[in-house]
Amino acid sequence: AQSVAQPEDQVNVAEGNPLTVKCTYSVSGNPYLFWYVQYPNRGLQFLLKYITGDNLVKGSYGFEAEFNKSQTSFHLKKPSALVSDSALYFCAVRDDNRDDKIIFGKGTRLHILP
Amino acid sequence: NAGVTQTPKFRVLKTGQSMTLLCAQDMNHEYMYWYRQDPGMGLRLIHYSVGEGTTAKGEVPDGYNVSRLKKQNFLLGLESAAPSQTSVYFCASSPPGFGYTFGSGTRLTVV
Repeated sequence: AQSVAQPEDQVNVAEGNPLTVKCTYSVSGNPYLFWYVQYPNRGLQFLLKYITGDNLVKGSYGFEAEFNKSQTSFHLKKPSALVSDSALYFCAVRDDNRDDKIIFGKGTRLHILP
Repeated sequence: NAGVTQTPKFRVLKTGQSMTLLCAQDMNHEYMYWYRQDPGMGLRLIHYSVGEGTTAKGEVPDGYNVSRLKKQNFLLGLESAAPSQTSVYFCASSPPGFGYTFGSGTRLTVV
């Protein structure tokens, strides 16, 4: 069965510092991996995805994520955090053996401290 | 560029009342989904549909029903609302095998 784990409920980072939001996954086939961001009182917005190819994926707002097959991880990163990056971040996975639905992690709240 | 539109945006129900949430997408996506979001629980899949006229249960289907009579619409019904159904409900759509486009959500309170 598909599953996604986001081990940190909250991450605090000082503005200007690099940030990492962790995600690990489990699927039976090959993974399609996604990151979404949710700002207060808004729906989820797509940030980036990994389907195949280069393990380093670049997305919106300067975010990137690194796919690591051996560690079954897909951590979200940004070299220099902004206060406006403060939001709720969701990692998600789709198993290519069944393309009908995506499983979401519980979310990680990112606080960027001015 | 409407994308995915959810109506209503807010609703307060009394216990035992019924209501229908409407989701409409204009991207010709095959797949549509209803999730609920609760604090500390992330997003939980209620029901989904992989095409017009088809529906399937997600991980928390009890107390909800759905219909997909037209490709562009996916309705979520609560027949007899309970306080435990107080939540934020999100609809999403996607082409097969790709990521989702989400609606802006419906905040439902059952008193």
